[in-house]
Amino acid sequence: AQKVTQAQTEISVVEKEDVTLDCVYETRDTTYYLFWYKQPPSGELVFLIRRNSFDEQNEISGRYSWNFQKSTSSFNFTITASQVVDSAVYFCALSEWLLTGGGNKLTFGTGTQLKVEL
Amino acid sequence: DGGITQSPKYLFRKEGQNVTLSCEQNLNHDAMYWYRQDPGQGLRLIYYSQIVNDFQKGDIAEGYSVSREKKESFPLTVTSAQKNPTAFYLCASSTTGTENSPLHFGNGTRLTVT
Repeated sequence: AQKVTQAQTEISVVEKEDVTLDCVYETRDTTYYLFWYKQPPSGELVFLIRRNSFDEQNEISGRYSWNFQKSTSSFNFTITASQVVDSAVYFCALSEWLLTGGGNKLTFGTGTQLKVEL
Repeated sequence: DGGITQSPKYLFRKEGQNVTLSCEQNLNHDAMYWYRQDPGQGLRLIYYSQIVNDFQKGDIAEGYSVSREKKESFPLTVTSAQKNPTAFYLCASSTTGTENSPLHFGNGTRLTVT
């Protein structure tokens, strides 16, 4: 069975600090995809990034960066120079491709609540 | 603008009543999903559908039912058999053609049963 662990329940930082959100996953699949979503107070989940299991290059998008390490089954997310608008719940998810019919069945972690204060 | 619409945003029901949550998408996606979110438990898959007139149980389907009569619509019924129905429900959709297609989510419906 697939599993995603986000051990950090809640993190509080002061604006402009860097913060890293941890994600550890378990899967028996050799090919898989990992995702990060952001859930602001409004409730909807906003897609941030996807990464496939064959691509271990780190990725940077503005203040966001992701560190994928297959050897440790981790896919960590770093926000540089955090801002109050970054306050949200962040979810890491592992996909199971539905071979018959297509579509992604996602297994989510329990989420990390990030609070950025002035 | 394309997206997923869930209605209503808040829903209140008495115990023992069935209730149906609406989900409509205009993204032309084939696959649709229902997730339940509880505090501290992340999101759990209830049902999913990859094509019209077909759907599959997810991890926590007991006490729920769905239909997929149209590509755009995937309503979820929370029946009286669901023992703990109070939760935040999220509908999502995705394409089925590529393995890395992300799920797009609606704004959710918060259901309270008393």
